[in-house]
Amino acid sequence: QVQLQESGPGLVKPSETLSLTCTVSGGSIRSSYWSWIRQPPGKGLEWIGYMYFRGNTNCNPSLKSRVTMSVDTSSNQFSLKLTSLTAADTAVYFCVREIFGTAEAGSHYFDNWGQGTLVTVSS
Amino acid sequence: QTVVIQEPSFSVSPGGTVTITCGLRYGSVSTTYYPGWYQQTPGQAPRTLIYNTNIPYSGVPDRFSGSILGNKAALTITGAQADDESDYYCVLYMSGGISVFGGGTRLTVL
Repeated sequence: QVQLQESGPGLVKPSETLSLTCTVSGGSIRSSYWSWIRQPPGKGLEWIGYMYFRGNTNCNPSLKSRVTMSVDTSSNQFSLKLTSLTAADTAVYFCVREIFGTAEAGSHYFDNWGQGTLVTVSS
Repeated sequence: QTVVIQEPSFSVSPGGTVTITCGLRYGSVSTTYYPGWYQQTPGQAPRTLIYNTNIPYSGVPDRFSGSILGNKAALTITGAQADDESDYYCVLYMSGGISVFGGGTRLTVL
């Protein structure tokens, strides 16, 4: 069973850059697409984007200008950087496996969620 | 602007049946959006319930089912139990490979 664990700072100052890492265990990071999803306190889920080990990425258009995602196959980790933080970026950030089907048999879903890490943007 | 629309809240009696829907502000939901449903209890990560409109994820009780009803995706809970009291989120896979979540539906079982 694939397991994911987020790590990163719990508190970041406004205008600074958030860096989060997700460690994948129980499977190879080369086997799937990997995503970030966030949830502001008391609010709903927001998809941030996905990445693949070959470098393919896709991102929520509302965040695209501030997001960088990368994969480190040597450590079985993937990362998220979010720049120019404001209080609106305060949220629980989840790393998740995103599953796609094939051209012949389309499919899409999320599974194997990390437990989430709360990031607070405050001075 | 909310693109994917869910009922904000619903209430169901224990043993009862409830259907939560997931629509688009503009247009109809079809299987080509690969609708998915996720259950979340407070302080926990979401749990995958249904994917590709109506396929139950591994280990999900068969009282949870998915479908297309009219122009919306739907999650039906048949024989609701107390521990089904949760937030439920749908997600649609949009053109360009973008995933968009609905605002969530808070289900109360009482």
